[in-house]
Amino acid sequence: GAVVSQHPSRVICKSGTSVKIECRSLDFQATTMFWYRQFPKQSLMLMATSNEGSKATYEQGVEKDKFLINHASLTLSTLTVTSAHPEDSSFYICSALGTREQETQYFGPGTRLLVL
Amino acid sequence: GESVGLHLPTLSVQEGDNSIINCAYSNSASDYFIWYKQESGKGPQFIIDIRSNMDKRQGQRVTVLLNKTVKHLSLQIAATQPGDSAVYFCAEKRVSGTYKYIFGTGTRLKVLA
Repeated sequence: GAVVSQHPSRVICKSGTSVKIECRSLDFQATTMFWYRQFPKQSLMLMATSNEGSKATYEQGVEKDKFLINHASLTLSTLTVTSAHPEDSSFYICSALGTREQETQYFGPGTRLLVL
Repeated sequence: GESVGLHLPTLSVQEGDNSIINCAYSNSASDYFIWYKQESGKGPQFIIDIRSNMDKRQGQRVTVLLNKTVKHLSLQIAATQPGDSAVYFCAEKRVSGTYKYIFGTGTRLKVLA
């Protein structure tokens, strides 16, 4: 149990376009999901906390208008990178908190974004 | 951004030896810590966790030690195997209204045959 999926796993887009990444909890409901960004050979940097039915909480330095987060249901959160630029190329990882063990994060497999 | 720091970016160990990966954290109010393993191109995988009311916790081949006095935790892997080669991160739970997890900088473990 406690499987989290992400779609797509890889995406290549042109500069200026928008890209949507989905994060789904497949066999449990998640009121809270987290979005991380990871550059090569670096750690995971928390971008925002996504709460079902409410606005996301963004970390300092993360542009809300550029990284749109929607958590419309208990099993789905989406991250949209708007007007993507090459510097947005990164590995984006989501995690979901289990409803039973509410401190345990279950991570998705990540999405590799390359902006040309 | 804020992070939990690690002392060693790369650790090479012989297969069969024990590995020790260290982590220093900065927030004395953090009450929950987790170690993750991340293989290339994948999401982090939970290894073991520990609460601040404990100083040691053991799992299968892994042990986590917590020293709150100096804000340090370590991950010990016994009889290191080739499959243990990965990047290891510590993370701490920060509570500020809701809570979030802050990751350390990571240590790459290389197991030498």
